[in-house]
Amino acid sequence: DADVTQTPRNRITKTGKRIMLECSQTKGHDRMYWYRQDPGLGLRLIYYSFDVKDINKGEISDGYSVSRQAQAKFSLSLESAIPNQTALYFCATSDYRGDGYTFGSGTRLTVV
Amino acid sequence: AQSVTQLGSHVSVSEGALVLLRCNYSSSVPPYLFWYVQYPNQGLQLLLKYTSAATLVKGINGFEAEFKKSETSFHLTKPSAHMSDAAEYFCAVSDQGNDMRFGAGTRLTVKP
Repeated sequence: DADVTQTPRNRITKTGKRIMLECSQTKGHDRMYWYRQDPGLGLRLIYYSFDVKDINKGEISDGYSVSRQAQAKFSLSLESAIPNQTALYFCATSDYRGDGYTFGSGTRLTVV
Repeated sequence: AQSVTQLGSHVSVSEGALVLLRCNYSSSVPPYLFWYVQYPNQGLQLLLKYTSAATLVKGINGFEAEFKKSETSFHLTKPSAHMSDAAEYFCAVSDQGNDMRFGAGTRLTVKP
């Protein structure tokens, strides 16, 4: 099994719908992150969490929310999806040193 | 906040030729620097990292990078390109483990 598992791998949804992307990890790491990848822009941080009771906004948190259900689980929600949220979304984890992230395989989200 | 700039969104080399991917960083504190590789339909994989030890860092698959503080650079090199090196490469910087920022990426093409 992968160290960081993201579900679903692909999703097409309609404008205005609520959608949740899920991430689980078996690394035992405390820190978890959500990034979105857009062509030519690299990866941008949406939210991050350093432990179960810690949630922090990243560069581009507007329109997104997160939930850290357990050390191993970190979910990203789009409350009302819009077309410019079409992107590749990655979950990542790291230990307390933060000196190298482990990434999931990504969720390709299309909002029509 | 720290940032990285990757020079060249696309680099094309012949098989067996030198690979050089350029990255310059900006950081107000001693940085941690990273190179990640992304193969099609996959997440990012850590190639190598600099965390204030040796300035010449060796990574997986024959890649290495040199931290040059005077030039604020962390260029990625490989002496001889292989077809399997074709991928997208991302440079990243963090504030000693916190708040990792990624460059826009460089797509490497290897010609036979």
